[in-house]
Amino acid sequence: GAGVSQSPSNKVTEKGKDVELRCDPISGHTALYWYRQSLGQGLEFLIYFQGNSAPDKSGLPSDRFSAERTGGSVSTLTIQRTQQEDSAVYLCASSPRQGRQGNQPQHFGDGTRLSIL
Amino acid sequence: AQKITQTQPGMFVQEKEAVTLDCTYDTSDQSYGLFWYKQPSSGEMIFLIYQGSYDEQNATEGRYSLNFQKARKSANLVISASQLGDSAMYFCAMREYTGNQFYFGTGTSLTVIP
Repeated sequence: GAGVSQSPSNKVTEKGKDVELRCDPISGHTALYWYRQSLGQGLEFLIYFQGNSAPDKSGLPSDRFSAERTGGSVSTLTIQRTQQEDSAVYLCASSPRQGRQGNQPQHFGDGTRLSIL
Repeated sequence: AQKITQTQPGMFVQEKEAVTLDCTYDTSDQSYGLFWYKQPSSGEMIFLIYQGSYDEQNATEGRYSLNFQKARKSANLVISASQLGDSAMYFCAMREYTGNQFYFGTGTSLTVIP
């Protein structure tokens, strides 16, 4: 079956431009996460969607970052007025709804490598 | 305070030997889950193993096992019979039942030497 799909796989853009990153989660997965991974670093949580609930935006680093999830499926992460420090790999993950044990692992896409010139 | 701490930035192991990757965590929740992921140089994140806070037995998945010491708040990953393909970054993560986030450590880079 299809895994988490992210597009584009690579994006190079000039400083100040807006970018949109897309994530198509595994069918039936109600939870969707966005992370940022800078070179050689761990994963930085950005935002979390669960079904139709209000998203957890606590990880967004600035108001230049926003995300939406349409119809409980596809999600778009938008970065406005990009800065060089936004250069990173942006990873999307999805999981089934967590049960009491919270034992559902996340399934990750291959990421979008964003480079700001 | 860091939720997940991985103190070994880099590790080396001889092929066919066992290796332990350390992970300690910080939570006041009683219900939580611990996860290990592998990230090869190609970049994809691969789920390896899960341990629930109420699980009495250490989790095992093939050559991977989790040495869970709840009182010490540690969840070390043990890889037995290392293979060259095990060379990768390894991330420990935790999810608290009361929250939404998965907290990730900074990772350990494992190199398997032939």
